[in-house]
Amino acid sequence: DQQVKQNSPSLSVQEGRISILNCDYTNSMFDYFLWYKKYPAEGPTFLISISSIKDKNEDGRFTVFLNKSAKHLSLHIVPSQPGDSAVYFCAASAAQKLVFGQGTRLTINP
Amino acid sequence: ETGVTQSPTHLIKTRGQQVTLRCSSQSGHNTVSWYQQALGQGPQFIFQYYREEENGRGNFPPRFSGLQFPNYSSELNVNALELDDSALYLCASSSSWNSGANVLTFGAGSRLTVL
Repeated sequence: DQQVKQNSPSLSVQEGRISILNCDYTNSMFDYFLWYKKYPAEGPTFLISISSIKDKNEDGRFTVFLNKSAKHLSLHIVPSQPGDSAVYFCAASAAQKLVFGQGTRLTINP
Repeated sequence: ETGVTQSPTHLIKTRGQQVTLRCSSQSGHNTVSWYQQALGQGPQFIFQYYREEENGRGNFPPRFSGLQFPNYSSELNVNALELDDSALYLCASSSSWNSGANVLTFGAGSRLTVL
């Protein structure tokens, strides 16, 4: 039972353009949603979060949008930079645990 | 402040053996969680420890067990290893005093290969 899904395994974007990563979930009881970034040989690093009572949260180049009726969230990165190339995980918070999606590999091309 | 450190970084075991993975949590954090990340998948919750007791468990069999010590460091033990246990094991620490999002700080992981 995959409660959090990232349907795009990979995404390629030109440097300077917008990157949009998507995530869908099934459980309405999640109270927070988070995005993590992972480089090879490193652990996931927290990027940004959003409460389930909000619909937008912005931090610098990163903005997360939450559409509760569609059970969908997205991460926008503007402008995309080469250092943004990594695997991005969407996660949902439930009690003591985070439920992760499968990840999307983002590649920023010069 | 020091981050989350895990050891060993890589190890190879054979089926039926037992393994112990170790984790030192970030300073100021009192809660430790363990996640298993299979190849091409997202991390999957194994269990969480708070005040040296298990405080939540995912869908993993009892041969996965853990400990948390008074200094908040932790161990993950896996008995009777199976081939499917081959994965990256991630330790994450957090603070129970933080309100809001359950932000975890992850270590770099221990990559276990079972032959």
